[in-house]
Amino acid sequence: AQSVTQPDIHITVSEGASLELRCNYSYGATPYLFWYVQSPGQGLQLLLKYFSGDTLVQGIKGFEAEFKRSQSSFNLRKPSVHWSDAAEYFCAVGAQYGNKLVFGAGTILRVKS
Amino acid sequence: KAGVTQTPRYLIKTRGQQVTLSCSPISGHRSVSWYQQTPGQGLQFLFEYFSETQRNKGNFPGRFSGRQFSNSRSEMNVSTLELGDSALYLCASRPGLASSYNEQFFGPGTRLTVL
Repeated sequence: AQSVTQPDIHITVSEGASLELRCNYSYGATPYLFWYVQSPGQGLQLLLKYFSGDTLVQGIKGFEAEFKRSQSSFNLRKPSVHWSDAAEYFCAVGAQYGNKLVFGAGTILRVKS
Repeated sequence: KAGVTQTPRYLIKTRGQQVTLSCSPISGHRSVSWYQQTPGQGLQFLFEYFSETQRNKGNFPGRFSGRQFSNSRSEMNVSTLELGDSALYLCASRPGLASSYNEQFFGPGTRLTVL
C-alpha cells in the first residue's frame, strides 16, 4: 500500500536560515511525488512535483526538492526562509494514471524573527 | 483562468442531517476529486469523478456520495451526519486522466461543522 511519512510534525527556523522538510514514501511502482503548502483556512497550493527526469526539481517561491530513489525520499529545501513561508507543508504520492493522492501527515513550519 | 471554487465555504449542521457541498473545477478540467481533511486522520481521498462517472473511491462509508454533471461541476453529499464528519472538505480538479495530468489544483475547501 502507498504511504507517506513526514517525520517532523513541527519545525521552527529563524528567518533567513535554510530549511529542509523530510518526506519518505512507500510505493510499489514509479511514484509521482508532490509537495503542497497550506496556509491557515486555505486550500492546498502546489509547490513542486516530480514525475521523471532530473531528480532535483525546482518549484515556486524558491523551493526545491530532491528525489532519491535509493532512500525513498523526496525532501523539500529552501536556502533562505521568509516569514511568509510559515504554513503547513504536505508531501504526497500518486500513481501514474490515478488521481488518488496519498498525503503525509504534514509538517507545520514556524518562522521566528 | 478562475481557480477551483467551492460553495459554501462554511457550513454548520446538526447530527442526523444531510449536507451537499458543491465544487466547480477550473474551466476545461474534466476530473474532480474530493478529499476530507481532519486533525486526526489528515488528508484522505474520498472519490474522483470524470465524465460524470465515479472512477475511484476511497475507504469511506456509503453515507458519503457524489456526482458530477455534464459541465464537470461536482457535488458531494453526506447523509446522516455524525460528529466525526466535521472536517475541511477539499475539491481538486485536473484536465483529464492521462499521466501528464496528475497535477491537481485544489479549491479553498468547505469547512463543515457538525454539532
